[in-house]
Amino acid sequence: DAKTTQPPSMDCAEGRAANLPCNHSTISGNEYVYWYRQIHSQGPQYIIHGLKNNETNEMASLIITEDRKSSTLILPHATLRDTAVYYCIVRVGYGGSQGNLIFGKGTKLSVKP
Amino acid sequence: DAGITQSPRHKVTETGTPVTLRCHQTENHRYMYWYRQDPGHGLRLIHYSYGVKDTDKGEVSDGYSVSRSKTEDFLLTLESATSSQTSVYFCAISEGGTYSNQPQHFGDGTRLSIL
Repeated sequence: DAKTTQPPSMDCAEGRAANLPCNHSTISGNEYVYWYRQIHSQGPQYIIHGLKNNETNEMASLIITEDRKSSTLILPHATLRDTAVYYCIVRVGYGGSQGNLIFGKGTKLSVKP
Repeated sequence: DAGITQSPRHKVTETGTPVTLRCHQTENHRYMYWYRQDPGHGLRLIHYSYGVKDTDKGEVSDGYSVSRSKTEDFLLTLESATSSQTSVYFCAISEGGTYSNQPQHFGDGTRLSIL
């Protein structure tokens, strides 16, 4: 089972910031938080990942709380093309699956004009 | 975007026939993965590879085999396809495995229908 909890759906107005929350209260100290998104019929697209510091790249920002039990993905200026299912994933670190990603149900983000 | 090509993109076949899906990468990444995606189940790992000729099973490996004879190619074979293997199949690649934080990058998928 996924180790994260996300709201099933969210709406955002075009041009506004989209803030997608994720709860990962059982995260281990050496596990990273990854965010992916999947636009209908396409493969999952990597967005960003982090361990404990906030991260920013050309797509988004990732804010991780100090206790690392939750995080927020921020899309600063959402566009219609950002409509997708967003997955928050805590990396399964050890064992035979070599960095297996476990995808939960994600958050369906709808960006509206 | 990562240089990952999956072929074919769509395939319809009959129960009992063998099927091979191909994943080709141009990134020279060591690790390659096959996932399947089904409604209500999300993505599930089938098999993965950590180098040429080095492969291991994932969560849902029954009925599937894989081969990796070259760094750039990872093949997924259904020896005798069944209707339960109708799914969308995604290939992923990454530079690092378990002890690396490098992300996986996915191809565009193969939509397989078994009648």
